[in-house]
Amino acid sequence: DAGITQSPRYKITETGRQVTLMCHQTWSHSYMFWYRQDLGHGLRLIYYSAAADITDKGEVPDGYVVSRSKTENFPLTLESATRSQTSVYFCASTPTSGGAVEQYFGPGTRLTVT
Amino acid sequence: DQQVKQNSPSLSVQEGRISILNCDYTNSMFDYFLWYKKYPAEGPTFLISISSIKDKNEDGRFTVFLNKSAKHLSLHIVPSQPGDSAVYFCAAKRYGGSQGNLIFGKGTKLSVKP
Repeated sequence: DAGITQSPRYKITETGRQVTLMCHQTWSHSYMFWYRQDLGHGLRLIYYSAAADITDKGEVPDGYVVSRSKTENFPLTLESATRSQTSVYFCASTPTSGGAVEQYFGPGTRLTVT
Repeated sequence: DQQVKQNSPSLSVQEGRISILNCDYTNSMFDYFLWYKKYPAEGPTFLISISSIKDKNEDGRFTVFLNKSAKHLSLHIVPSQPGDSAVYFCAAKRYGGSQGNLIFGKGTKLSVKP
């Protein structure tokens, strides 16, 4: 499928477990992003990546780890999940050509930590 | 410290009338502003953007106005349709910021009644 996909779409995990959310894009966009959406907070940036092997922290990075070994994949790992990480997670990407600033979002992963 | 503010959590409009969604910002160092639309259980989709050097941008039924002196932008939807019912996010990009690195408001839920 063309575009940006996320898996799983829904996940329930227990406190203390490690969980990885996957993000895959077929556009070869250089930049990729992870956001979380919580009621009353809108979209907050967790981590972003400018290219393969280049990542940087966003507004709320604590408790999360990212990697980007290939341009098309940008997984987000919660090393030891906590209830406060219950949220909807969105992956996004944007090209660097043409001065584009708009981001293209995946469908989201709803994560519940019990 | 919220740099992009959407002070109205919700807005209800009659079909065929104008919808006006508002957004205020505090940082003068933003060079692009964007509006996203989000349906339930889907990722945000890019709607329209405006450069800080312009004061208006139009795309079909959607027009964005930028008032730099007031640090205020608005999205006008004319005429409003029931399919426009969604959450609308305002976003801003900083001058010299990482490509596509956006700051989002908390969103305004628009309901268009038939």
